[in-house]
Amino acid sequence: QITLKESGPTLVKPTETLTLTCTFSGFSLRTSGVGVGWIRQPPGKALEWLALIYWNDDKRYRPSLNSRLSITKDTSKNQVVLTMTHMDPVDTATYYCAHSGGSGFVPFDYWGQGILVTVPS
Amino acid sequence: QTVVTQEPSVTVSPGGTVTLTCASSTGAVTSGYYPNWFQQKPGQAPRALIYSTSKKHSWTPARFSGSLLGGKAALTLSGVQPEDEAEYYCLLYYGGAHFWVFGGGTKLTVL
Repeated sequence: QITLKESGPTLVKPTETLTLTCTFSGFSLRTSGVGVGWIRQPPGKALEWLALIYWNDDKRYRPSLNSRLSITKDTSKNQVVLTMTHMDPVDTATYYCAHSGGSGFVPFDYWGQGILVTVPS
Repeated sequence: QTVVTQEPSVTVSPGGTVTLTCASSTGAVTSGYYPNWFQQKPGQAPRALIYSTSKKHSWTPARFSGSLLGGKAALTLSGVQPEDEAEYYCLLYYGGAHFWVFGGGTKLTVL
């Protein structure tokens, strides 16, 4: 079955760079049409899509955060890494990674448990 | 900035039927926005319910259905159960610029 799990720091200082890793099983990023995305949710607020990487290394980013985000994949390790620079207290959120199928048209059908990242003010 | 709007809160009685909607600031929502719907309960990760307007995942209960209604995407729950109380999010795809936007969510109360 498909599983995903996020890992990384739970506390990041303002101006620092956040690096999160999504380790998955049950599928391969070598398979045509498959992708992995990142979504975050500030406490008590709505979901926000951040980034998506496809099997062919095509990458998509939230326009308002495009300059701060980077997404990469390591197919041999079944991992996807999200980097976000210049962290700010408003970036405090639970960060989720999720599987995407159908070349992005069946998005986020399987989710990780999420990781709460806090940026203190 | 592209905004996707949902009703902030809706209340329904057990056994009743309710429709939640999802609008785009860019205009009418069509099938080309590939509307998706997710359910999230407190303390849990979201769960996918509907993709491509009306297609169900294998785990989606039959009482959930998706459609387009009056220029919006819609999620209808028929025969609401107490366990359906949750936050519901829609997700739209903006193909021109290749990005996804979640709605603000609808808190569904079953009372």
